[in-house]
Amino acid sequence: DGGITQSPKYLFRKEGQNVTLSCEQNLNHDAMYWYRQDPGQGLRLIYYSQIVNDFQKGDIAEGYSVSREKKESFPLTVTSAQKNPTAFYLCASKRQSTALSGANVLTFGAGSRLTVL
Amino acid sequence: SQQGEEDPQALSIQEGENATMNCSYKTSINNLQWYRQNSGRGLVHLILIRSNEREKHSGRLRVTLDTSKKSSSLLITASRAADTASYFCATDFMDTGRRALTFGSGTRLQVQP
Repeated sequence: DGGITQSPKYLFRKEGQNVTLSCEQNLNHDAMYWYRQDPGQGLRLIYYSQIVNDFQKGDIAEGYSVSREKKESFPLTVTSAQKNPTAFYLCASKRQSTALSGANVLTFGAGSRLTVL
Repeated sequence: SQQGEEDPQALSIQEGENATMNCSYKTSINNLQWYRQNSGRGLVHLILIRSNEREKHSGRLRVTLDTSKKSSSLLITASRAADTASYFCATDFMDTGRRALTFGSGTRLQVQP
């Protein structure tokens, strides 16, 4: 089955540590995204990538870093510079829309919950 | 903020009733989408409505879009306990160079059996 796999599902981090969240997709999608969700709130965009070896900052990129070395993978590193990292992190992907298909829909992974101890 | 705002924040209804959720946004859009999130899970796409469309149906879902008021509504008819979830609108803004969806704050729907 095609889809997006996020790992780990749960992660605990001590203050001052960097952690990396994995996101892998086998949908052959071009674009990938990282969102952060805090309890009872909507999603905020951290980083996104339209193509391999290229990515752009979202609304809350400070304290985070990403890489896009392969089309299938878009790992997110939560660095020690992120002061309040406890949150639910969601990865998504999208096939690039074309004028004909109009496809502009995100497919999400199941999420990773990060807790800072 | 360009983010969509949704109301109500929470909604509790009985099974069989209709549920209506609203979304407002601030700038011109290419399209507006609705997603559903079960507790602690990822989001699932429900329906997309383009800026030149006014109404769209999918099963028990009906979405309307009023671009003059910059608002959309999602109606779930004949609700079921399994519809209990959070519902988010997401907008694809036209005016920015950003190629990413912006999500609203969501409506938490509770359907009582």
